Amino acid sequence: GENVEQHPSTLSVQEGDSAVIKCTYSDSASNYFPWYKQELGKRPQLIIDIRSNVGEKKDQRIAVTLNKTAKHFSLHITETQPEDSAVYFCAAGGGYNKLIFGAGTRLAVHP
Amino acid sequence: SAVISQKPSRDICQRGTSLTIQCQVDSQVTMMFWYRQQPGQSLTLIATANQGSEATYESGFVIDKFPISRPNLTFSTLTVSNMSPEDSSIYLCSVEDLGGGTEAFFGQGTRLTVV
Repeated sequence: GENVEQHPSTLSVQEGDSAVIKCTYSDSASNYFPWYKQELGKRPQLIIDIRSNVGEKKDQRIAVTLNKTAKHFSLHITETQPEDSAVYFCAAGGGYNKLIFGAGTRLAVHP
Repeated sequence: SAVISQKPSRDICQRGTSLTIQCQVDSQVTMMFWYRQQPGQSLTLIATANQGSEATYESGFVIDKFPISRPNLTFSTLTVSNMSPEDSSIYLCSVEDLGGGTEAFFGQGTRLTVV
């Protein structure tokens, strides 16, 4: 089955800096890679996703890249703001298959 | 995107009792899933709720402990049976959009505390 590894587990940056979170997956059949943001006490919220037929996707300050050959994908947040502080989860799956989640990255953005 | 209503939002239960969590979606969805999120941890898939048939459980989860129903394409329940303090977690239902995509949306979660 699918296995997703996520790094780092914690990330601390200064406001305005960039943050990068990386994930690797094991199942080459996976074709959908979402990223979720979870604030304290709230449900995970989808912030961006990418499918296996593209290599990069961007939405304002957030971008995701996918390397299918290496089976890894990354989340990039530019010009970080304190409100970006949260736990971020990557996941892999797709095609009406279950999503398997990474362990999460706790991002702290310091003013 | 689908609107998911999950209830109860939280509960405190005595050990040895059972709690049933409900998940209602405002549109028909193909896939519904149940996850557990232990304090400070990631989301662990419990099972896939299959409409009209038995749920498909992940390794480490069994039907006797977590019976699941899915009577139609908009509703599912998860029961946490014979609870112990180790079952204290957030339980979340998730759906995938029938519209062809595989975006997964979550209910607001049920925070369960077993005392």
